[in-house]
Amino acid sequence: DGGITQSPKYLFRKEGQNVTLSCEQNLNHDAMYWYRQDPGQGLRLIYYSQIVNDFQKGDIAEGYSVSREKKESFPLTVTSAQKNPTAFYLCASSYGGNEQFFGPGTRLTVL
Amino acid sequence: AQKVTQAQTEISVVEKEDVTLDCVYETRDTTYYLFWYKQPPSGELVFLIRRNSFDEQNEISGRYSWNFQKSTSSFNFTITASQVVDSAVYFCALSEVTGGATNKLIFGTGTLLAVQP
Repeated sequence: DGGITQSPKYLFRKEGQNVTLSCEQNLNHDAMYWYRQDPGQGLRLIYYSQIVNDFQKGDIAEGYSVSREKKESFPLTVTSAQKNPTAFYLCASSYGGNEQFFGPGTRLTVL
Repeated sequence: AQKVTQAQTEISVVEKEDVTLDCVYETRDTTYYLFWYKQPPSGELVFLIRRNSFDEQNEISGRYSWNFQKSTSSFNFTITASQVVDSAVYFCALSEVTGGATNKLIFGTGTLLAVQP
């Protein structure tokens, strides 16, 4: 089955730690995205990538980093510089500028 | 700047009622896309529809219908004969058409729809 997988589903982090969220897709999509969702809020774009080895900052990139070494994978690292990292993180992919398809999300909680 | 407004934070209806979710957008672009996504309690966003700014025809898919009016910058979503399974948060989103390999989506804050049995 084609789709997007994210792991882990739940993640707990101590303050000062970096954590990496995984996103994998087997849809053969070139473009991939990371969004953050806070309670009662819409989604906000963190980073996006159009092609392997290339990515751009979204609206709220501070405190986050990404890599795109393979077409299928777009991991997101939440660094200790992110002041308020507790949120629901969603990964998406698209074929060109078409509709985006989303993964099941990772819920990150800072203890 | 691009913006999407979903003024209805929460809506509660009884099963079999019709319900309309409002979406108003702002953009200076002449070419753009509008989207609706459904987010059930599981959290994953489910794509419902994409509409090109040049296509103002209304769309119907089963119990779902969409009304796109450029004159009022609105893209409203109606569910006919609502069911409990329709309970979810619904997001409206806007993207500019860049001709590139990506589209940056601007999301509204969502409308929580609760359908009571």
